[in-house]
Amino acid sequence: EVQLVESGGGLVQPGGSLRLSCAASGFTLSSYSMNWIRQAPGKGLEWISFISTNGATTYYADSVKGRFVISRDNAKGSLYLQMNSLGAEDTAVYYCARDPAGAGYFDYWSQGTLVTVSS
Amino acid sequence: QSILTQPPSVSGAPGQRVTISCTGSSSNIGAGYYVHWYQQFPGTAPKLLIYDNNNRPSGVPDRFSGSKSGTSASLAISGLQAEDESDYYCQSYDYTLNDWVFGGGTKLTVL
Repeated sequence: EVQLVESGGGLVQPGGSLRLSCAASGFTLSSYSMNWIRQAPGKGLEWISFISTNGATTYYADSVKGRFVISRDNAKGSLYLQMNSLGAEDTAVYYCARDPAGAGYFDYWSQGTLVTVSS
Repeated sequence: QSILTQPPSVSGAPGQRVTISCTGSSSNIGAGYYVHWYQQFPGTAPKLLIYDNNNRPSGVPDRFSGSKSGTSASLAISGLQAEDESDYYCQSYDYTLNDWVFGGGTKLTVL
């Protein structure tokens, strides 16, 4: 069974940093590109970052470019999102999601982890 | 403001057919990029409902169907059931933004 399990969310002060992890199981992580998608409270979905199968290619939404870094460790079966210079606008539930064969859609999602940026 | 435009809400009675529209532009849906649809219940992760305009993943009932024409796409749900009450999102790719983009979401109410 495909599973994506996140950890690392929580409360952080404005300007602070947080690192999210996404542990993959039930499939070979190295065969799939991966993404991070977030959802602010009561709002819609926002794609924020992509990473290719071997990590060589990454993309970011303008809203997080220069502040967030996506990475992966295929040997450990894990995806990461390092979030720096956090602001209130980054408060959201963050999901990691799998992209089958670079198809441009997301077929499996994690349960989501809430990141709250507040003093 | 979302790049893809969806109606905030739609409703229908059990057994009826409802459609949810997703309007884009020449830089996303109109450029030939596929449209995908997700279903999201409150407090849970989105679930892939339709991919590549009109394909259903295994396990999705054939009551759900997708279509695309020009710069717009639609999700149709026939034989509406109470369990279909949920939020629905369309998604595509936009080449001017170089981003994957979502619609703002549509809340379906089953009357």
